[in-house]
Amino acid sequence: SQQGEEDPQALSIQEGENATMNCSYKTSINNLQWYRQNSGRGLVHLILIRSNEREKHSGRLRVTLDTSKKSSSLLITASRAADTASYFCAPLNQGGKLIFGQGTELSVKP
Amino acid sequence: DTEVTQTPKHLVMGMTNKKSLKCEQHMGHRAMYWYKQKAKKPPELMFVYSYEKLSINESVPSRFSPECPNSSLLNLHLHALQPEDSALYLCASSQLSGWYNEQFFGPGTRLTVL
Repeated sequence: SQQGEEDPQALSIQEGENATMNCSYKTSINNLQWYRQNSGRGLVHLILIRSNEREKHSGRLRVTLDTSKKSSSLLITASRAADTASYFCAPLNQGGKLIFGQGTELSVKP
Repeated sequence: DTEVTQTPKHLVMGMTNKKSLKCEQHMGHRAMYWYKQKAKKPPELMFVYSYEKLSINESVPSRFSPECPNSSLLNLHLHALQPEDSALYLCASSQLSGWYNEQFFGPGTRLTVL
């Protein structure tokens, strides 16, 4: 499978702590995207990192990409209860398709 | 308008029914997508339309029939579904299919097949 594999599958932290989610994939990619999904709802695009980029920031989000290891990480700093959601990495393969990983279920306790 | 809308929000249908899911966007995007998502699983790509033409069909059973009447609308016609087809059906759009494009998702239609 080309899909991203995510680790951990579930993560529970206290408000104010940082949350780190990791993603690995198997094939060459054009870019890698991260999405958030609140329970039973549509996905929201968080950040896109291109294959020639190593790190990208957006607000409290920091994404890294290591194409030699075929891995990416998403760091959410100073987490809030509203960050509670499922987070999916989605490598965009050379065929132009997003292949979603299994997701990390993040729970941020107030 | 940066929204993708989907109707209906919920749909319950029998195995002999015919129904349609609708998706609309007014962002001028030329690529539109249907995904299926089962509980606690990632979205799975079903179909991609690029410039109103079907460009990707992920070997979806013929009881699912997509249609793109114009660049803003995407339909998914359902006929003779099975209970295992019960899922959240998500529509998405992007500026162009493929490279460097984030996808904008609708809220989904929760489908239950009895």
